[in-house]
Amino acid sequence: GAVVSQHPSWVICKSGTSVKIECRSLDFQATTMFWYRQFPKQSLMLMATSNEGSKATYEQGVEKDKFLINHASLTLSTLTVTSAHPEDSSFYICSARDTIATNEKLFFGSGTQLSVL
Amino acid sequence: AQTVTQSQPEMSVQEAETVTLSCTYDTSESDYYLFWYKQPPSRQMILVIRQEAYKQQNATENRFSVNFQKAAKSFSLKISDSQLGDAAMYFCAYRGLVGKLTFGTGTRLQVTL
Repeated sequence: GAVVSQHPSWVICKSGTSVKIECRSLDFQATTMFWYRQFPKQSLMLMATSNEGSKATYEQGVEKDKFLINHASLTLSTLTVTSAHPEDSSFYICSARDTIATNEKLFFGSGTQLSVL
Repeated sequence: AQTVTQSQPEMSVQEAETVTLSCTYDTSESDYYLFWYKQPPSRQMILVIRQEAYKQQNATENRFSVNFQKAAKSFSLKISDSQLGDAAMYFCAYRGLVGKLTFGTGTRLQVTL
C-alpha cells in the first residue's frame, strides 16, 4: 500500500535554531500535501496546504515566515520551523494525497515530535 | 467554515462488546467525505472507515460500521466485538470540496477485560 515517510521522527533543538521536517511519498505522486500540528491530548490542526510547484496555502493564524513550506517535487514536501521557540514544541504530521488514485485517499506520515529547549 | 464535534472525550467498552462513538458536523456543502481515524499511542493516523456523502448506504469495514444521517449531519462509528487493540484515540474528520481535512476533538476509547 501507499506509504508516506516522515523524518525525523523526533528532534530536540535549542531555542533560536531552525528545524526541517521532510515528508516523502514513497510509491505515489502527491501534488498536494498537508501539514498538521497536534498538541498533547488535542486534535490535529491544519497548518497549511502544500502544492507542488507553487506557494503553500496557510491557515488563518499560522505564520508563513515562521513555518516555511517547500514542495519542490511530486514526492517531497518540507516544513522548516524557523527560529524555533519552546512554544513551537509539538507533534507535526504530514499527509499526502495520491494524485492519480480515483478514490483520492490521504496517507499520513508517522509524525515528528519537536522539542525546543 | 466546517466544524466537527465529538461530544464524548472518553468512552469505555468491555472486550467483545459493542460501542458507538458520536460525531456531528456542520457544513453548507452537499458533496463531501466523512472519515473515522484511529490514533494509537504510536500516534500514527490509521484510516478506519470512510463515507461519501452522496451514498445513502452506510459504510462497513469488518467490525466497524457507521450510521450516517445526512439530514441530521451525524456520523457515528460502531465498533462490534471490541478488542484490546481497538484502544486508541478516535477522530472524526470531514473533507469537503477544497480537500483539506477538518478533525473533531477526538474520543479516547478504553477497552477493558
